[in-house]
Amino acid sequence: NAGVMQNPRHLVRRRGQEARLRCSPMKGHSHVYWYRQLPEEGLKFMVYLQKENIIDESGMPKERFSAEFPKEGPSILRIQQVVRGDSAAYFCASSRDAWALEEQYFGPGTRLTVT
Amino acid sequence: KNEVEQSPQNLTAQEGEFITINCSYSVGISALHWLQQHPGGGIVSLFMLSSGKKKHGRLIATINIQEKHSSLHITASHPRDSAVYICAVPPQGAQKLVFGQGTRLTINP
Repeated sequence: NAGVMQNPRHLVRRRGQEARLRCSPMKGHSHVYWYRQLPEEGLKFMVYLQKENIIDESGMPKERFSAEFPKEGPSILRIQQVVRGDSAAYFCASSRDAWALEEQYFGPGTRLTVT
Repeated sequence: KNEVEQSPQNLTAQEGEFITINCSYSVGISALHWLQQHPGGGIVSLFMLSSGKKKHGRLIATINIQEKHSSLHITASHPRDSAVYICAVPPQGAQKLVFGQGTRLTINP
């Protein structure tokens, strides 16, 4: 049973470009969470999705960021018109049931560098 | 004040020493998570606990719900234990985790 997969592992974008980060949860998991870790800072919640639904996006910046988890395929975190401040490690995690009650499984992260 | 506070922020010890990392939180919770982030960046879940104590190998986690405090202990520490240890809690009613700032542990041989 493969773990949580994220790709790409490293992504370099110029300012103004779009970044697409993908997360494939563990088999059987229908809950996906995205987190951001800015350089030298702690993890911060961004968004919680179930299949085809955004449950909680209270941690998402209001502009340029969006997330989806379609019925088929991976969850995608999309950042439009990237700026240098978006440079960070983006982690996704998945669980079979709601986060609070389940052990979480993290992907290896995508390290985004905006030049 | 952060909802989750860890101490110490940095800890350096010699191989073999007994390690304690503390986590205090200010919100009502149903469970608390301890995570380990390796120097390469990967994150591993160590424990999820809602009461009492859990043990896995040389790692022990305890929680006191009334005092809103948890500790992570490492016995017979080893250089491979060097990592950042993070506690995280799901505030009651919320389907998300709030993280402590992490404790950077360095074990010297």
